[in-house]
Amino acid sequence: AQSVAQPEDQVNVAEGNPLTVKCTYSVSGNPYLFWYVQYPNRGLQFLLKYITGDNLVKGSYGFEAEFNKSQTSFHLKKPSALVSDSALYFCAVSLGGFKTIFGAGTRLFVKA
Amino acid sequence: EPEVTQTPSHQVTQMGQEVILRCVPISNHLYFYWYRQILGQKVEFLVSFYNNEISEKSEIFDDQFSVERPDGSNFTLKIRSTKLEDSAMYFCASSETHTFGSGTRLTVV
Repeated sequence: AQSVAQPEDQVNVAEGNPLTVKCTYSVSGNPYLFWYVQYPNRGLQFLLKYITGDNLVKGSYGFEAEFNKSQTSFHLKKPSALVSDSALYFCAVSLGGFKTIFGAGTRLFVKA
Repeated sequence: EPEVTQTPSHQVTQMGQEVILRCVPISNHLYFYWYRQILGQKVEFLVSFYNNEISEKSEIFDDQFSVERPDGSNFTLKIRSTKLEDSAMYFCASSETHTFGSGTRLTVV
């Protein structure tokens, strides 16, 4: 069965430091992988996706993620966190054309 | 960049009433989806729609729910006889790569 795990409910990081939000997945076949961000009382904003090609994907707002097939991971990273990055982050996986399964979300707090 | 548009942004309805949530997917996309997010919880798949019919649905998507493409452009989610627990954000998405709309917040009172 398809599943997505975000092992950390919350990540705390100081402004200017690098951040990582972890995601692992379980799916048979070649996955499409996504990261979304959600600010309070707002919709889902697309950050980046991996479909095929380069394992390192660059997305919006300076975020990037690396697809690691052997570790079935797709961790979200940013070299230098901003206070405005504080939000709820969702990892998601699909097999293309089928439903997307979302992780439970990781709340990121960036402290000034 | 093309967007998925959802209306209304917020809908308040009385328990037992019917609501229709509307979505305009990106043109030329073939796959359409509805998801919901109860406040503070994870995003849950409801239904996928391809070639003018439901291709997959979750256990949440019971007889209370239905989807349509009434005019080949709009993609609607109808909830008959709403319940308090239907209060949530409802998101539409289109294409295999899931471009999401900004959602409709449904509040059932």
